[in-house]
Amino acid sequence: GDSVTQMEGPVTLSEEAFLTINCTYTATGYPSLFWYVQYPGEGLQLLLKATKADDKGSNKGFEATYRKETTSFHLEKGSVQVSDSAVYFCALKPYGGSQGNLIFGKGTKLSVKP
Amino acid sequence: EAEVAQSPRYKITEKSQAVAFWCDPISGHATLYWYRQILGQGPELLVQFQDESVVDDSQLPKDRFSAERLKGVDSTLKIQPAELGDSAMYLCASSLAPKSGSPGTIAGANVLTFGAGSRLTVL
Repeated sequence: GDSVTQMEGPVTLSEEAFLTINCTYTATGYPSLFWYVQYPGEGLQLLLKATKADDKGSNKGFEATYRKETTSFHLEKGSVQVSDSAVYFCALKPYGGSQGNLIFGKGTKLSVKP
Repeated sequence: EAEVAQSPRYKITEKSQAVAFWCDPISGHATLYWYRQILGQGPELLVQFQDESVVDDSQLPKDRFSAERLKGVDSTLKIQPAELGDSAMYLCASSLAPKSGSPGTIAGANVLTFGAGSRLTVL
């Protein structure tokens, strides 16, 4: 079945460092891909998404490109801030699947130190 | 900013007891979802409602879990009896998404908004 694999954390970076969180997926057809972020004590928030190959999602300085050839959707940010400390989830919606049937990775905890 | 409300935020119960969680979605959101997030894992869909109807409950353990959305607005998820393995965060989400094929689909209608969750500990 469809699945998402993301790098295990925790990831600890200094402020202004470059961030990459790897995400690869297994799916049939053309899934939609998402990154969600969960700040401490809060619910998941959609960070960015891409619905077709070569699409780039971006938001708040974060970017991810839908790479069908490598089945990847890696999250990047050029300069992280302390306020980016959170858990990041990569997710896919199977092609033709219902909107809520998102398949999530296990999450990657990011800690940014001043 | 509109939010998905959930209560209680925290619940500690003993195994074999009954427990219930409540969710109030964003006003006007037709679709409501319950997810379970075990510590260290990503969320997994338990049940999806479209208005008052269940669209998908294939992952809901129906021997002990039940969910309802009687008036198509707020929703309750119940566990009876609770087991140790039910300890998790229970997340509710909603989206504007109307039934597929409906006219006038709004861009972004399928974006899910999550509540803060209800953390259950079963002792």
